[in-house]
Amino acid sequence: AQSVTQLGSHVSVSEGALVLLRCNYSSSVPPYLFWYVQYPNQGLQLLLKYTSAATLVKGINGFEAEFKKSETSFHLTKPSAHMSDAAEYFCAVSAYYGNNRLAFGKGNQVVVIP
Amino acid sequence: DGGITQSPKYLFRKEGQNVTLSCEQNLNHDAMYWYRQDPGQGLRLIYYSQIVNDFQKGDIAEGYSVSREKKESFPLTVTSAQKNPTAFYLCASMKGMNTGELFFGEGSRLTVL
Repeated sequence: AQSVTQLGSHVSVSEGALVLLRCNYSSSVPPYLFWYVQYPNQGLQLLLKYTSAATLVKGINGFEAEFKKSETSFHLTKPSAHMSDAAEYFCAVSAYYGNNRLAFGKGNQVVVIP
Repeated sequence: DGGITQSPKYLFRKEGQNVTLSCEQNLNHDAMYWYRQDPGQGLRLIYYSQIVNDFQKGDIAEGYSVSREKKESFPLTVTSAQKNPTAFYLCASMKGMNTGELFFGEGSRLTVL
């Protein structure tokens, strides 16, 4: 079974500062990894995904994530936070060989301080 | 534009009543999912369906039921057996087979009075 761990339910970052959200995964088979973003009272939308190609993945809105197999991590970063980045972010994992199911982490609520 | 439509957006229910949440998609996706979201708990899978007339229980299926009679539709019924039904419910569909790329509706917020 696959699972992900996201530490720190609430993350505060100053506008213009680095955004770093940590995700560690557990998977018995090669994983697919994802970051999703959710704005208040809306559904989730895909930010970026890792599917065994390049280990550094670039997504929308200036976000990127790096797959590190040795650390079982897939941390999300953005060099400079913008007020519009305030949202909840979820890391998710699925099995490469597929059961068509994703396991989500508990999420990080990002607050951007002006 | 293609997408997923959930209705109603807000719903109030008295204890002991069943309620059905609608989910319709025009993306021509085979797989559809229902998740429950509670503050601080992330998304938990209730039921999913990979093809018409077939569905599987997720991690928290007790007190819920679904049907998949058409590719476009995957309604969720929250029954009176669900002990704590107040939550935000999200419907999603998956692009392709095992791509992990989920497309979500805007959610339905159910409050039990």
